[in-house]
Amino acid sequence: AQKITQTQPGMFVQEKEAVTLDCTYDTSDQSYGLFWYKQPSSGEMIFLIYQGSYDEQNATEGRYSLNFQKARKSANLVISASQLGDSAMYFCAMRGLSFGNEKLTFGTGTRLTIIP
Amino acid sequence: DGGITQSPKYLFRKEGQNVTLSCEQNLNHDAMYWYRQDPGQGLRLIYYSQIVNDFQKGDIAEGYSVSREKKESFPLTVTSAQKNPTAFYLCASSILQAENTGELFFGEGSRLTVL
Repeated sequence: AQKITQTQPGMFVQEKEAVTLDCTYDTSDQSYGLFWYKQPSSGEMIFLIYQGSYDEQNATEGRYSLNFQKARKSANLVISASQLGDSAMYFCAMRGLSFGNEKLTFGTGTRLTIIP
Repeated sequence: DGGITQSPKYLFRKEGQNVTLSCEQNLNHDAMYWYRQDPGQGLRLIYYSQIVNDFQKGDIAEGYSVSREKKESFPLTVTSAQKNPTAFYLCASSILQAENTGELFFGEGSRLTVL
């Protein structure tokens, strides 16, 4: 079984500041993938970044980076230089990487609000 | 353009009625999924399918049914047995292969309200 925990229901951050969204996970899989999705108020789910459990380097995608600490089972999302358009719900998710184990397990999300 | 299309975007239904949500994808993905999202909560898996004519229950399958007669289509029926069907429903798809690291692609969702 897999479990994702996001302990920050909501966060308020000043525009242009960096923000870290916390995510911890639990799994019995040896190989797994970690994902972050953004959900604006319109409802669609936007893929942001991916980290494989076997990747030695932290993933980065533009202003997004994933602070992966395998021993602590954490996969925090870091957004640098926040913008007003970053205001949204953010979900951490994971799945095993074995064949046929593609379904994602999601956390409860963090609502991020960027203040002008 | 390739993507996932869900319809209708908004749906109202009376108690006791079945309703079917459509999900179509032209990404040639093997796997398709249905998730439910309640206000302020994460996504919970209802059903998923990895191949035509086969599907598996997710974490909250009771009161729902699906079919997968075609690769590109995965409709979800919310039956009258579902006690609290008012929610936002998201359909997704992904490729299916060993050591797959690809993400799920999502539709824009269908918001169901039971009156």
